[in-house]
Amino acid sequence: DVVLTQSPLSLPVTLGQPASISCRSSQSLVYSDGNTYLSWFQQRPGQSPRRLIYKVSNRDSRVPDRFSGSGSGTDFTLKISRVETEDVGVYYCFQGTHWPPYTFGQGTKLEIK
Amino acid sequence: EVQLVESGGGLVQPGGSLRLSCAVSGFTFSTYWMHWVRQAPGKGLVWVSRINSDGSATSYADSVRGRFTLSRDNTKNTVYLQMNNLRAEDTAIYYCARHGSGNHFDYWGQGTLVTVSS
Repeated sequence: DVVLTQSPLSLPVTLGQPASISCRSSQSLVYSDGNTYLSWFQQRPGQSPRRLIYKVSNRDSRVPDRFSGSGSGTDFTLKISRVETEDVGVYYCFQGTHWPPYTFGQGTKLEIK
Repeated sequence: EVQLVESGGGLVQPGGSLRLSCAVSGFTFSTYWMHWVRQAPGKGLVWVSRINSDGSATSYADSVRGRFTLSRDNTKNTVYLQMNNLRAEDTAIYYCARHGSGNHFDYWGQGTLVTVSS
């Protein structure tokens, strides 16, 4: 099974400051079709998960452009350029390349300092 | 508007059964794979099962294989998760999620809580 390791697991950030979350995979996430199926999800307190980024760097509609994804192979990063109050929650990376099982990272809890 | 609505959760004793449903609207259900993902209280997201668009193929996490069965009815726009021989560790919120071609989990339901306890 592919293991996704996120860091940090806890991320206190000052409002208006940038934030960055790392996701490292135990295997390359490049699929045979050339795509890399690495996504990022946000889960606000008491809500369902919401996808932010798919295929490494594609932002979903209605996701603010302060969110960006990057990386390749086994190393990926989610960046928030300026953290806002509504960004509080848990962030998960996810891989859909090697399945079953599909796997998620452990989650990174972002809070306002 | 795309909507996924789960139902069927509740309190069940260890060894018991439940059937979860996920009714969808707002898109062509028969062209999408569907998944279930669960989240134990205070824990992270864990993939449970998936079914392809016509229902001919399913996959399961090791922890539920042989106890859970995923099926779908494309005439009713609904996917079903039959859960048998439930254990305390199956206690979680269960979410259904949509999967288009190379497009994983772009929409999720609100979740349904399953509690396994005596």
